[in-house]
Amino acid sequence: DIQMTQSPASLSASLGETVTIECRASEDIYSNLAWYQQKPGNSPQLLIYDANSLADGVPSRFSGSGSGTQYSLKINSLQSEDVASYFCQQYNNYPWTFGGGTKLELK
Amino acid sequence: EVQLVESGGGLVQPGRSLKLSCVASGFTFSNYGMNWIRQAPGKGLEWVAYISSGSSYIYYAETVKGRFTISRDNAKNTLYLQMTSLRSEDTALYYCARGATVVPFDYWGQGVMVTVSS
Repeated sequence: DIQMTQSPASLSASLGETVTIECRASEDIYSNLAWYQQKPGNSPQLLIYDANSLADGVPSRFSGSGSGTQYSLKINSLQSEDVASYFCQQYNNYPWTFGGGTKLELK
Repeated sequence: EVQLVESGGGLVQPGRSLKLSCVASGFTFSNYGMNWIRQAPGKGLEWVAYISSGSSYIYYAETVKGRFTISRDNAKNTLYLQMTSLRSEDTALYYCARGATVVPFDYWGQGVMVTVSS
């Protein structure tokens, strides 16, 4: 199975700040990497797919990058509505696996 | 608008069975692979099972293989998860989600809670 290691596990940032979340795969996943946002009490929503493509309706302050085994999610100009947990997920190989998640809070 | 609505959850004793359903609308259900994904309370996400659009390909996580069965009825736009020999570690919120090989989970339901406890 491909292991997805996500960091940090939690993050505290101020409004307007830029934050970055990292995700490392245990083997090359050829950019078959998605990022999901899960707000408290809600189901996950797709933010980024194919490592760097923005899903429909997602604000442009979100961006994804990376290749091979190393990927990152960047949020520019943090807004209050961005408080959530974020998960990376590889869909290159069965079984599809998720990172452990990053809980983003406001400072 | 794409909608996925799960049902069938509840409290069940260890070793018993439960069947979850997910009714889809807003897209051509028979054209898409579908999945079950679960989230234990306060924990991360775990993919559980996948079924291709025509049911030809079915995959399971090792943690549920041999106990859970995924199926679908394209005429009824409905996805199922038959869960048997339930264990306490199966306690989780179960989501159905659209997605397949080299395709992310682009739509999720609101989830249905399954609690396994005596």
